[in-house]
Amino acid sequence: KQEVTQIPAALSVPEGENLVLNCSFTDSAIYNLQWFRQDPGKGLTSLLFIQSSQREQTSGRLNASLDKSSGRSTLYIAASQPGDSATYLCAASSGAGSYQLTFGKGTKLSVIP
Amino acid sequence: GAVVSQHPSRVICKSGTSVKIECRSLDFQATTMFWYRQFPKQSLMLMATSNEGSKATYEQGVEKDKFLINHASLTLSTLTVTSAHPEDSSFYICSARFNYGYTFGSGTRLTVV
Repeated sequence: KQEVTQIPAALSVPEGENLVLNCSFTDSAIYNLQWFRQDPGKGLTSLLFIQSSQREQTSGRLNASLDKSSGRSTLYIAASQPGDSATYLCAASSGAGSYQLTFGKGTKLSVIP
Repeated sequence: GAVVSQHPSRVICKSGTSVKIECRSLDFQATTMFWYRQFPKQSLMLMATSNEGSKATYEQGVEKDKFLINHASLTLSTLTVTSAHPEDSSFYICSARFNYGYTFGSGTRLTVV
């Protein structure tokens, strides 16, 4: 059974700093991995999607990497802004043809102006 | 593209009543939809997988008679919480898979009083 862990649970940084959020998964036979953002009381916004054959994806100030052999993914946020404050969730889909996602508990990010 | 619309966003109901939550794919056909539940400060937990034209597949520990799922068309899946109790109060989110990744509805905050 896939388990996804995110560290740290919470992070507070001053505006402008670069930061890294970590995600680890127990079953390296993942199909894909996706990073989401969730604002309080809201649904999920997809940030980056990495297929198992890829090593990284970039979108604007965000870069996500995937290392299947070590069971790890990182989300790098450059030049953080107060608007980046949210909870970031990592989710892994295991097994070819399996469309189910297993989520981590998230990292709550606060960017201080 | 790949937008999922979820309604209502908030609902308060009396204990013992039933509540229906709708999830629509607006610009694509969703053969499969997923229903998640999220408790405060917890991650998303998959409740069931909804397949168009067939019975939903429920995760272990989820009562199928309490959480009725109907996926009668390629653009609509519904979750009905029957005989709701205060412990059913939670945040419910639907999701659908599209070409690359998953897209989520905005969620429904259910409060049972």
